[in-house]
Amino acid sequence: EVQLVESGGGLVQPGRSLKLSCAASGFTFSNYYMAWVRQAPTKGLEWVASITNSGGSTYYRDSVKGRFTISRDNAKSTLYLQMDSLRSEDTATYYCTRVIRGTGYVMDAWGQGASVTVSS
Amino acid sequence: IQMTQSPSLLSASVGDRVTLSCKTGQNINNYLAWYQQKLGEAPKLLIYNANSLQAGIPSRFSGSGSGTDFTLTISSLQPEDVATYFCQQYNSWTTFGAGTKLELK
Repeated sequence: EVQLVESGGGLVQPGRSLKLSCAASGFTFSNYYMAWVRQAPTKGLEWVASITNSGGSTYYRDSVKGRFTISRDNAKSTLYLQMDSLRSEDTATYYCTRVIRGTGYVMDAWGQGASVTVSS
Repeated sequence: IQMTQSPSLLSASVGDRVTLSCKTGQNINNYLAWYQQKLGEAPKLLIYNANSLQAGIPSRFSGSGSGTDFTLTISSLQPEDVATYFCQQYNSWTTFGAGTKLELK
């Protein structure tokens, strides 16, 4: 069974940092692109960042470019999202997702989500 | 790419045939997916490439359309289908629609 389990969420002040982790199991992690998707309270879905299966290439939405860093450790089957210079508008539930091979962005597995609140 | 889902709220009865619409601001070459999100849960992939049913999804769900106009159809609404449905384009980067909330009448 495919499982994605996020951790590391919480309450953080504006301008501070937070790092999310996502432990993957039930599939060969190193074969898949992975992505983070967020959802602000009572809002829709918003793609945040993606990473290729090797980790050699990363992609970000404009609003987080230069502040967020997606990375992975294939030996540990773990995906990360380092979030720096956090803003109130980054408040959301962050989902770790697996991307269907060859589609670029279609997410066929989702974690339960990690809640991030940016507030003073 | 602009995504417009309609209606934003849909009320229907068990057994009804339900259609949800997603329109894009430009041709996305059928690179469209549909997700279902139940209250308090993570989204679940239903359809990709406009009409390909994801493994394990009931056959009452189907996707159609091309170019800029797409539809998700539930052939016979079941109580467990109450959820918000999002469309997603992945022709140019990726964006999601605002969602259609489906409730029972």
